[in-house]
Amino acid sequence: DTGVSQNPRHKITKRGQNVTFRCDPISEHNRLYWYRQTLGQGPEFLTYFQNEAQLEKSRLLSDRFSAERPKGSFSTLEIQRTEQGDSAMYLCASSSGLLLERRDTIYFGEGSWLTVV
Amino acid sequence: EDKVVQSPLSLVVHEGDTVTLNCSYEVTNFRSLLWYKQEKKAPTFLFMLTSSGIEKKSGRLSSILDKKEPFSILNITATQTGDSAIYLCAVEATGANSKLTFGKGITLSVRP
Repeated sequence: DTGVSQNPRHKITKRGQNVTFRCDPISEHNRLYWYRQTLGQGPEFLTYFQNEAQLEKSRLLSDRFSAERPKGSFSTLEIQRTEQGDSAMYLCASSSGLLLERRDTIYFGEGSWLTVV
Repeated sequence: EDKVVQSPLSLVVHEGDTVTLNCSYEVTNFRSLLWYKQEKKAPTFLFMLTSSGIEKKSGRLSSILDKKEPFSILNITATQTGDSAIYLCAVEATGANSKLTFGKGITLSVRP
């Protein structure tokens, strides 16, 4: 257990429905990331928060995706009008921003699996 | 755009074999390269490399970086079935908010 908590762990939804995932990072970490991973691929960056500010969004993040981190602690990722192509594992990660030579680099959560049927 | 290419994409070996996993990359303003192990769940951190030629070791695993080529290798000696996993290589650029760019991963299967 890395200390990054995600829920739900699995979600099956019908196409067109909205889904929301939650991530609770390690408490002292001010940086939070969302990644998406499909079978046979490495994780792909979606978005990044430093405290409550969303500082970077990937072009992969279409208008149907929105992420928030209202108080600089937990974060939510919402997907509206889901499509089958959204089926993937959504990974949350956090770090203290002291990446450099320290071993305690970016920690990933267990991921939230989304299946759109 | 930053790019990471891992090879081979999959590998099957027998217990006791030694394996070498490759990672080449293109990144503007390189900061670090990281290796992760993924076993059907979250990637777990193995190594972070920032300087060329300095080997990092952890038990049977070791890794080294060549910033000139540029590439990195991950070696696993005396493989065990528990080493079966996907091994991910990622790079980070300076000023990139620590955002990581991952390769597709190498699926290693260790047969008894």
